[in-house]
Amino acid sequence: GAGVSQTPSNKVTEKGKYVELRCDPISGHTALYWYRQSLGQGPEFLIYFQGTGAADDSGLPNDRFFAVRPEGSVSTLKIQRTERGDSAVYLCASSSDYSDTQYFGPGTRLTVL
Amino acid sequence: AQTVTQSQPEMSVQEAETVTLSCTYDTSESDYYLFWYKQPPSRQMILVIRQEAYKQQNATENRFSVNFQKAAKSFSLKISDSQLGDAAMYFCAYKGTNAGKSTFGDGTTLTVKP
Repeated sequence: GAGVSQTPSNKVTEKGKYVELRCDPISGHTALYWYRQSLGQGPEFLIYFQGTGAADDSGLPNDRFFAVRPEGSVSTLKIQRTERGDSAVYLCASSSDYSDTQYFGPGTRLTVL
Repeated sequence: AQTVTQSQPEMSVQEAETVTLSCTYDTSESDYYLFWYKQPPSRQMILVIRQEAYKQQNATENRFSVNFQKAAKSFSLKISDSQLGDAAMYFCAYKGTNAGKSTFGDGTTLTVKP
């Protein structure tokens, strides 16, 4: 079946702008995760959803970052007032439940000029 | 908090040879999962192998195997008969059984020489 998909593949924006990044998980997967990967580093956890609710948002760096998953499937990561330090690859993953293996999407490369 | 350390930023292996990538982790939990992921330049993180901490037997997937030493908190990946397509960044990851998130190391870049 289809894997995790993320759109857009690349996003270039200007400092101070608002961006939305979308994740489509594997069909039937109840758990969804967002990670951020800076150049030369491993993915860093941001937030995890179980169904529609955020089960753990301890990795969100500040209140400019917000994520939703209103129907328990597609999720959107929203970043307000972007800063140059937000430039990174944003990875989404899903799993059949929170204890199972996570399957990753191809990521969105965000560049803030 | 859990931490994962990959002490080899870069490794190189000759095609058809064997290479071992190192990973150590720190945790106070007794049950957890460990993973190795491969990330080629396309950015897609691909699961290579998974180990459950309560299982003493080392996981194996074709040419990939692990050496899991629970007491030493060590989880190395052995790639046998290396192929050009194995060239990528490899990440070691830890996940608690009651936690959703995974904690990743900073990766090892593997080069395969023909």
